Amino acid sequence: AQSVTQLGSHVSVSEGALVLLRCNYSSSVPPYLFWYVQYPNQGLQLLLKYTTGATLVKGINGFEAEFKKSETSFHLTKPSAHMSDAAEYFCAVSDLGNQGGKLIFGQGTELSVKP
Amino acid sequence: DVKVTQSSRYLVKRTGEKVFLECVQDMDHENMFWYRQDPGLGLRLIYFSYDVKMKEKGDIPEGYSVSREKKERFSLILESASTNQTSMYLCASSYLRGVSAYTFGSGTRLTVV
Repeated sequence: AQSVTQLGSHVSVSEGALVLLRCNYSSSVPPYLFWYVQYPNQGLQLLLKYTTGATLVKGINGFEAEFKKSETSFHLTKPSAHMSDAAEYFCAVSDLGNQGGKLIFGQGTELSVKP
Repeated sequence: DVKVTQSSRYLVKRTGEKVFLECVQDMDHENMFWYRQDPGLGLRLIYFSYDVKMKEKGDIPEGYSVSREKKERFSLILESASTNQTSMYLCASSYLRGVSAYTFGSGTRLTVV
């Protein structure tokens, strides 16, 4: 069965510092991978997605993620954090095999940005 | 861009009331989903639908039902609201099962008193 693990429920960085949010997945077939961001009292917004092709995926707001099959990882990075990046981030996986193609979400990582 | 609209941002209901949460999407998506989100518990799938008049139970369907009479509308029904159903409710839709990203609505924060 598919699963997603986000390491660290809370990450705190200083403004201007590197943001690294970790996501590991398990899937028996090639996965489709997603990162979402959620600002307070709002829905989830798609940051980026990996389906096939280039393993380094660029998203909105300067974020990117790299699919590493050998490590079953899809970590999210941003070179320089802004105060506006403070939010909760969710990693998700789906495939065409198990779970009827539904997205499986991680538990989320709350990112705090210190001035 | 696909838009998913949830009818209310905030709702306050009394225990025992029947509550309807409405969700409408405007891009002819086949698949629609209802989640609830609680601190420390992440997103939990309540019900989903892959076609009109079709519904399937998610992980926590107890106390809820759904209706999908038209492709664009997916309603979540709390038959008799209880305080433990106080939560943020999120609706989502997608185009291709297993491949497409979900598009989420802005959420409905429901308080049951």
